[in-house]
Amino acid sequence: KQEVTQIPAALSVPEGENLVLNCSFTDSAIYNLQWFRQDPGKGLTSLLLIQSSQREQTSGRLNASLDKSSGRSTLYIAASQPGDSATYLCAVRGAGNQFYFGTGTSLTVIP
Amino acid sequence: KAGVTQTPRYLIKTRGQQVTLSCSPISGHRSVSWYQQTPGQGLQFLFEYFSETQRNKGNFPGRFSGRQFSNSRSEMNVSTLELGDSALYLCASSLVPGSYNSPLHFGNGTRLTVT
Repeated sequence: KQEVTQIPAALSVPEGENLVLNCSFTDSAIYNLQWFRQDPGKGLTSLLLIQSSQREQTSGRLNASLDKSSGRSTLYIAASQPGDSATYLCAVRGAGNQFYFGTGTSLTVIP
Repeated sequence: KAGVTQTPRYLIKTRGQQVTLSCSPISGHRSVSWYQQTPGQGLQFLFEYFSETQRNKGNFPGRFSGRQFSNSRSEMNVSTLELGDSALYLCASSLVPGSYNSPLHFGNGTRLTVT
């Protein structure tokens, strides 16, 4: 069964810092990987989707990379802002066409 | 374009009752999937519907069921509620299931509390 891990579980950084969030998965047979953010009590907001054939995707200050062979993805956030504070989750679409989610990294950006 | 709409936002039920949750996908999206989110287990896949047919099912008991209507709206039902069913239930829609380039879009969820 696919297992998705996100480390660290929580991260606190000062405003303006660049940061990297990590996501690892055990089965490299994936269709795609998607990064989300979740604000307290809300649903998930899609940030980036990387197809299995792609290496990275960029949107504004966000850049996500994918290394299928090693089972890793990273989400790079440039020049962090207090509004970036949220929980970030990654999900892989794998066997059985299901999405498997990580448990998330809770990010706090300190003004 | 309106996002994914879930109703109601909050529900309080007692053990043994049943509950029905509703999800309206983004216009044009034909695939709807449901997830349960709890602090202990995180986000877990319940099931996915496309063209009124269940395409995939997660590892949940038969008390959890769903359906999809011809307009792609979906409902999820939980019967004989247990305390452990207390969770945030999230619905997501996408253009089609299994599309490599079709991201999931989530609603704000229904917070179910079972007492």
